[in-house]
Amino acid sequence: GDSVTQMEGPVTLSEEAFLTINCTYTATGYPSLFWYVQYPGEGLQLLLKATKADDKGSNKGFEATYRKETTSFHLEKGSVQVSDSAVYFCAFGTASKLTFGTGTRLQVTL
Amino acid sequence: DVKVTQSSRYLVKRTGEKVFLECVQDMDHENMFWYRQDPGLGLRLIYFSYDVKMKEKGDIPEGYSVSREKKERFSLILESASTNQTSMYLCASSRRLTGNTEAFFGQGTRLTVV
Repeated sequence: GDSVTQMEGPVTLSEEAFLTINCTYTATGYPSLFWYVQYPGEGLQLLLKATKADDKGSNKGFEATYRKETTSFHLEKGSVQVSDSAVYFCAFGTASKLTFGTGTRLQVTL
Repeated sequence: DVKVTQSSRYLVKRTGEKVFLECVQDMDHENMFWYRQDPGLGLRLIYFSYDVKMKEKGDIPEGYSVSREKKERFSLILESASTNQTSMYLCASSRRLTGNTEAFFGQGTRLTVV
């Protein structure tokens, strides 16, 4: 069935380090792909999205590229900040619903 | 600023109580969703609604029901709360899903059943 697999956390990085959070999906058809972020005490908010193969979504220094051949949508940021500490969710969307991964907690320290 | 508002941030209820979680959106969205969020399990869809008075079961509907009498309001009902329903509940809304539709989330209700 449809599913999203993302790397388990927590991920702990020093400020200005490079971030990668892996995400792969299994879905029929050609879904759209999303990264959502949840800051402490808040609901989820959309970070970026890509709607077709080879699209690159970007926002706030984060990037992810829709790789159809590897069914992946890995999240990257070149230099993380303490304010990026949050839980990151990979998701894909079809015409009927959104399917989320289990989330990856990122902790950035000074 | 678009908004999805959940009526309570924190709730504590007793086993066997009937519990109502309320959600209101001000974006005139057709779709509304209820998820529960548990550590290590991510978000799991309980129910969703694509129109007034319409509802569809999600992945884990057992023990829950929903009501959507008005377009802007979607209620989640726990008919007889149990301790395994202790969780964070998230409401979301979106325009009619086309595959690339963004969902907007409320801040969540942390429910503890004792």
